[in-house]
Amino acid sequence: QSVLTQPPSASGAPGQRVTVSCSGSTSNIGKNYVYWYQQLPGTAPKLLMYKNNQRPSGVPDRFSGSKSGTSASLAISGLRSEDEADYYCAVWDDSLSGRWVFGGGTKVTVL
Amino acid sequence: EEQLVESGGGLVQPGGSLRLSCVAYGFTFRNYDMHWVRQPPGKGLEWVSAIDTGGATYYGDSVKGRFTISRENARNSLYLQMNSLRAGDTALYYCIRGGDGFDPWGQGTLVTVSS
Repeated sequence: QSVLTQPPSASGAPGQRVTVSCSGSTSNIGKNYVYWYQQLPGTAPKLLMYKNNQRPSGVPDRFSGSKSGTSASLAISGLRSEDEADYYCAVWDDSLSGRWVFGGGTKVTVL
Repeated sequence: EEQLVESGGGLVQPGGSLRLSCVAYGFTFRNYDMHWVRQPPGKGLEWVSAIDTGGATYYGDSVKGRFTISRENARNSLYLQMNSLRAGDTALYYCIRGGDGFDPWGQGTLVTVSS
C-alpha cells in the first residue's frame, strides 16, 4: 500500500479536462514539493511536473499542477490520445530517516 | 544528449547477489545526486536508494541492510550491489539523476529473482 494515494484510473474524451489527485500527509506533501511523472506504454517514466507546478521544457501547457495542504493534483486540459499513460506523483517523506515515496499510479484513458 | 545507461540485470536465485551499473553521459555526473527506482512487472514505481554528491547514502525500508549504493565519479558511474535477493526484488531497475525531479531516466535493467 502506497504512502501517497492516487485513484487507479481516470478517463475523458478528447478535448476534455481530466484531473488526477494525490493524497498524502503532513510528513510528505504537507511540507515538501510534489513531482509528477508520465509513463507511456512500454517506456521509462518521464518528468512531467516539478516543484508542485513547474513544467520542464517541452511539456505542453495543457498540463498543470497544484498543491493544497496534504493533497496535490495534476490536470490535463484539451485531452489528446497521446496523453493516454500512467501518471505517478512523488514526494520526499520526512518520516523515519527520510525517503522518496511514489503514489500507486493513475491510468489515464482517452475515450 | 543527457543519457543514463544501466546494465547488470539478469536471472538470479533467491539469496543470491547481483551488481547493477549505470553510466552517465552528457552531464557533469559528480554534481548530481543519483537514485535507483524499481518497477515490478505490471506494477508501480518504488524508490530504492540514493547517493548524494558527498557520498551520503539513503535506502528504502524494503532494501535497507541488503542493498548498497555507490558511485565512481571518475568513471561517471553509479552502482547498486544487491545481496540476499528475494522474489519481491524482481523488477525493472532504473538509474535516475536527481535535482529538480528525477530526470533523466535510463531505459532500465531487468532483475529476475527465481529458482
